Amino acid sequence: DSGVTQTPKHLITATGQRVTLRCSPRSGDLSVYWYQQSLDQGLQFLIQYYNGEERAKGNILERFSAQQFPDLHSELNLSSLELGDSALYFCASSVVEGSYNEQFFGPGTRLTVL
Amino acid sequence: KNEVEQSPQNLTAQEGEFITINCSYSVGISALHWLQQHPGGGIVSLFMLSSGKKKHGRLIATINIQEKHSSLHITASHPRDSAVYICAVRGSNYQLIWGAGTKLIIKP
Repeated sequence: DSGVTQTPKHLITATGQRVTLRCSPRSGDLSVYWYQQSLDQGLQFLIQYYNGEERAKGNILERFSAQQFPDLHSELNLSSLELGDSALYFCASSVVEGSYNEQFFGPGTRLTVL
Repeated sequence: KNEVEQSPQNLTAQEGEFITINCSYSVGISALHWLQQHPGGGIVSLFMLSSGKKKHGRLIATINIQEKHSSLHITASHPRDSAVYICAVRGSNYQLIWGAGTKLIIKP
C-alpha cells in the first residue's frame, strides 16, 4: 500500500459526459501528479500540482482540468468524454517537487467510456 | 526515436532464470526510476537512482550515466515477478519521461 488513494476504482460512463477523479496523496506529500495510461500504452504525464499550485503540464487535453485543494487532495475533471478517453488514470505523490524525490502511485481509476 | 528506449519489449523465461531488462535514454537526466506494474494495473516504485547500483532483495538496478544506460536485474526469478517493468527518467523539469515497458512472464 503506497498510501495514495484514488476514487473511484472503476468508472463507466457515456460519451459526452463529465467525470471527476479524486486523489488523496500520502500524508505529508505536497506534490501530486496525474498520469493517463491507455490500453497497451505507456504512462502519459498529464499535470502536476505542488501545494495547491500548478507546476507542470504534460499532454493534457483542453477538455481535462485539475486542481489541488488546501487539504492537498486533487481532482482531475474530464469533460465531453470520448471513446478514446477510456484509460487507467493514475495519481502519484511525492514529498516535494525536487528531482530526487520518489513518486508513490495510487491504485488507479479505470475509466470506460461507452 | 523515443527519448527512453527499453529492451526487450517482451520477455518470457523459466522460473529461476536470471533476468535483465535494459533502458537507454537520450536526454540529460537527474534521476532514473524503475517501476513495476502488476497485471491488475497497480504501479509500484522499485528503485530511484542517479548513479551506481542499488539492490533490494532479488532486484538489482544499475545505471551508467556516461553511457546513458540502466539495467534492472532479477535473480532467481519467480512467477510472481511476472509484470510490466517500466523505466522512467526525470529530465531538467519535474516531469518523468516514460519508457514503453517490458512485459515479463516467468513460467513455473
